[in-house]
Amino acid sequence: AQTVTQSQPEMSVQEAETVTLSCTYDTSENNYYLFWYKQPPSRQMILVIRQEAYKQQNATENRFSVNFQKAAKSFSLKISDSQLGDTAMYFCAFVVYTGNQFYFGTGTSLTVIP
Amino acid sequence: DGGITQSPKYLFRKEGQNVTLSCEQNLNHDAMYWYRQDPGQGLRLIYYSQIVNDFQKGDIAEGYSVSREKKESFPLTVTSAQKNPTAFYLCASRDPDARAKAYEQYFGPGTRLTVT
Repeated sequence: AQTVTQSQPEMSVQEAETVTLSCTYDTSENNYYLFWYKQPPSRQMILVIRQEAYKQQNATENRFSVNFQKAAKSFSLKISDSQLGDTAMYFCAFVVYTGNQFYFGTGTSLTVIP
Repeated sequence: DGGITQSPKYLFRKEGQNVTLSCEQNLNHDAMYWYRQDPGQGLRLIYYSQIVNDFQKGDIAEGYSVSREKKESFPLTVTSAQKNPTAFYLCASRDPDARAKAYEQYFGPGTRLTVT
């Protein structure tokens, strides 16, 4: 079975500080893609960052970076220099390379405190 | 601009009535999806379609139906058989071609359905 676990339902961080959101997943497949999506209060889902499992190098997008540990099936998101606009629900997800169904975690609600 | 539209943003229905949620995309994507979002439960897959005239049940398909007559459109009908239909519904699409530059899903703005 394919599953995604986000063990932190809620987190908070001071503005300008760094925060890390955790995600673990389970799959027997070797080739897959991993994603972090952001859902702000508007509820529009926005892609934050993507990682291809065959790439060892961790993906980065400006202030967002991931720590991808394939053997441990861990895919954490680090947000540096947190901004008020980062306040949102964050979802971890993956899809198998040859598949079409995405698997989502239950989300982490992040609040950036001014 | 390419994107996904869902209408309306808010929808109200009486219990016992069927209701259809609209989802249209102009991204030329083959695959389309419907998710239900409830507090604390993340996104749960209702149905997905990989190509026109074909669709598969997701994890919570009971009480829902879909059609895929056109590539651009994937409407979702919430039937009276759905026991707890009040929720936020998200539509998504994706280009499943492995040669595509990106592999992620693109989401619409969602429809909040309230049934009383």
